[in-house]
Amino acid sequence: NAGVMQNPRHLVRRRGQEARLRCSPVKGHSHVYWYRQLPEEGLKFMVYLQKENIIDESGMPKERFSAEFPKEGPSILRIQQVVRGDSAAYFCASSPAQRGTDTQYFGPGTRLTVL
Amino acid sequence: DAKTTQPNSMESNEEEPVHLPCNHSTISGTDYIHWYRQLPSQGPEYVIHGLTSNVNNRMASLAIAEDRKSSTLILHRATLRDAAVYYCSLLPSNSGGGADGLTFGKGTHLIIQP
Repeated sequence: NAGVMQNPRHLVRRRGQEARLRCSPVKGHSHVYWYRQLPEEGLKFMVYLQKENIIDESGMPKERFSAEFPKEGPSILRIQQVVRGDSAAYFCASSPAQRGTDTQYFGPGTRLTVL
Repeated sequence: DAKTTQPNSMESNEEEPVHLPCNHSTISGTDYIHWYRQLPSQGPEYVIHGLTSNVNNRMASLAIAEDRKSSTLILHRATLRDAAVYYCSLLPSNSGGGADGLTFGKGTHLIIQP
C-alpha cells in the first residue's frame, strides 16, 4: 500500500547546476501537486498537473522551473541553474480527483540544498 | 485569494482536549476548509475538511462557525504524537480561477506536555 514516493530525499547541488526531483503518486491517482517550503515558512503551491497536462502553474517561478507528469513514469520537477534561494523542501502530493473535496496525500519531500 | 490566520503556537497537556482556531474572514461560498498537520521532517498529513456542517473523523473534529469566517480543529484527547504544526487552508470546490493548490501560512505549532 505505497503512498506518495519522492526521490531523492536529500539533494545537494552547487549554484548553476540542475536539480531533478521525482514524485510517484499513489497508485491510481492522476492529479499531482508540487509545493515548496522555505525554512521556517508554510507550504506554497507551485504547480498542479494531470497526466501529460499542466493545469495550473500559477505558483511556479517563470524562469528556471518546469514540471511534467508524463503518461508513464513519475512526475518531475526540474530546476535549472539553481541558486541559493532555491534551497528548500519540495513536497509532492497526489489526489484521485480534483481539488476542493479531495484529500491530498503528501510525500516525504525532497530537501534541496544549494551550495 | 482567501487567506487564513492562526496563532503561532499553543500548548496543552497530554490527554486533554485541544482547540486550534483558524480565522478565514474572506472565505467564499464554495471554499472548503481543510486542516493538515506536519510532524518534524515529514510531509503534511491530512486531518479533516468541511464546508458548512461540523465534521468528525477518527483523528479530530472540525467545528465551523455559522458565518464560516472561522473554524476550530478539536483534538479530543491529545497525545505526544499529536505534537506538530497544524495548518488551516481553504480550497475552492470548483476549478477555474486562482491557484488550484493548498496554501498554508505558518500554522500553529502545537506543543504537548506530558
